[in-house]
Amino acid sequence: DTEVTQTPKHLVMGMTNKKSLKCEQHMGHRAMYWYKQKAKKPPELMFVYSYEKLSINESVPSRFSPECPNSSLLNLHLHALQPEDSALYLCASSQAPGRVANYGYTFGSGTRLTVV
Amino acid sequence: AQTVTQSQPEMSVQEAETVTLSCTYDTSENNYYLFWYKQPPSRQMILVIRQEAYKQQNATENRFSVNFQKAAKSFSLKISDSQLGDTAMYFCAFTQGNTGNQFYFGTGTSLTVIP
Repeated sequence: DTEVTQTPKHLVMGMTNKKSLKCEQHMGHRAMYWYKQKAKKPPELMFVYSYEKLSINESVPSRFSPECPNSSLLNLHLHALQPEDSALYLCASSQAPGRVANYGYTFGSGTRLTVV
Repeated sequence: AQTVTQSQPEMSVQEAETVTLSCTYDTSENNYYLFWYKQPPSRQMILVIRQEAYKQQNATENRFSVNFQKAAKSFSLKISDSQLGDTAMYFCAFTQGNTGNQFYFGTGTSLTVIP
């Protein structure tokens, strides 16, 4: 299995809703990432997990809450989002923390989030 | 701080022709790696090619090759025999060598291959 699987593919939520995005990989990768991408813009790093521990939080608002229950699964919990949070949310994994250069990332296909 | 610049927001090329996408970067690091990623309308970011800064030889992957000019901090991507499936957003990216845990992406070039 050489994929990163993200669910759901599309999500529409109201500003008072609570929802979660899910990311799963079974490649034995020990670093996982959340990126936010606006249309025709590069991905922006949100969070990095290394060996299931949060190692980088790029000053993301607390309405985004990441969780890494095990080495294969990464969640992003969403609460009280704003319309400007509408974007493509990409998950990625790499074989080892600090070794992105050797192996690069494997990306998922993303979740297209619309906040209404 | 690392910065990556792609000065061509949009480009087009005729099918079967050759196109070159530009990328420049700025870093004080000596040990780093450069990548080109492709993002088609399907949204998934796909690794196209990777270059190690300490290697002088330019990387090649089938129809894709790079022109890596370390002194000029330039890393362009050449696509030969362009195909319709090459239509995508292309991102140049930088990461540090031994400790890098994230990519620094350029702003992207939207490439359209015209039949």
